[in-house]
Amino acid sequence: SNMLTQPPSVSVAPGQTASITCELNNIGSRSVHWYQRKPGQAPIVVVYDDIDRPSGIPERFSGSTSGNRATLTISRVEAGDEADYFCQLWDNSLYHVLFGGGTKLTVL
Amino acid sequence: QVQLVESGGGVVQPGGSLRLSCAASGFSLRTFGMNWVRQAPGKGLEWVAFMRKDGSYEYYTDSVKGRFTISRDNSKNTIYLQMNSLGTADTAIYFCARPLEEDRIVPFDFWGQGTLVTVSS
Repeated sequence: SNMLTQPPSVSVAPGQTASITCELNNIGSRSVHWYQRKPGQAPIVVVYDDIDRPSGIPERFSGSTSGNRATLTISRVEAGDEADYFCQLWDNSLYHVLFGGGTKLTVL
Repeated sequence: QVQLVESGGGVVQPGGSLRLSCAASGFSLRTFGMNWVRQAPGKGLEWVAFMRKDGSYEYYTDSVKGRFTISRDNSKNTIYLQMNSLGTADTAIYFCARPLEEDRIVPFDFWGQGTLVTVSS
């Protein structure tokens, strides 16, 4: 399968930590990128190449990978973090860009 | 600043064709490969196609191979998506998107606002 699997939703209280996962068989050495998308806005990259943050993205956003799973961790969650988050990678065996289905983060 | 503006969407009958355009400003398309991405109603994002900055190669998702063609006119700073043999499954908002860095395909740091394609009889 060449699908990136994400949980449909994650809920967390303000100040707590949110973890959003992205799974793919044989994710291997592919670099995973994470986006935040709010209603009516273009997606923005919050983590790229598994662990890097673009300038302007708070350190509260971090990425990691282990085996076939990539994880976006948002520490000290704020109300403004409520959004859809999705993962992406370039599959260099299929020559395709793959997107995860997205995870809706709800801040309780 | 960087801007991407799509146009060319509309309503088309099954089996019909459309050509989408993505006009770039604030940077030169000569230095970036470009992507098309779509989002069907109620669905997630789906990558459609990529073309290298010099047009030397292109990639497509399987469902559009042989029907869609990505092209570019660097002199006009514009990329195109020619869509033929359209079916109802192609109904979506189509976005163009620029990679974060030259000589990369992903991730995307700039997206257009999208243009809606509706395939319906």
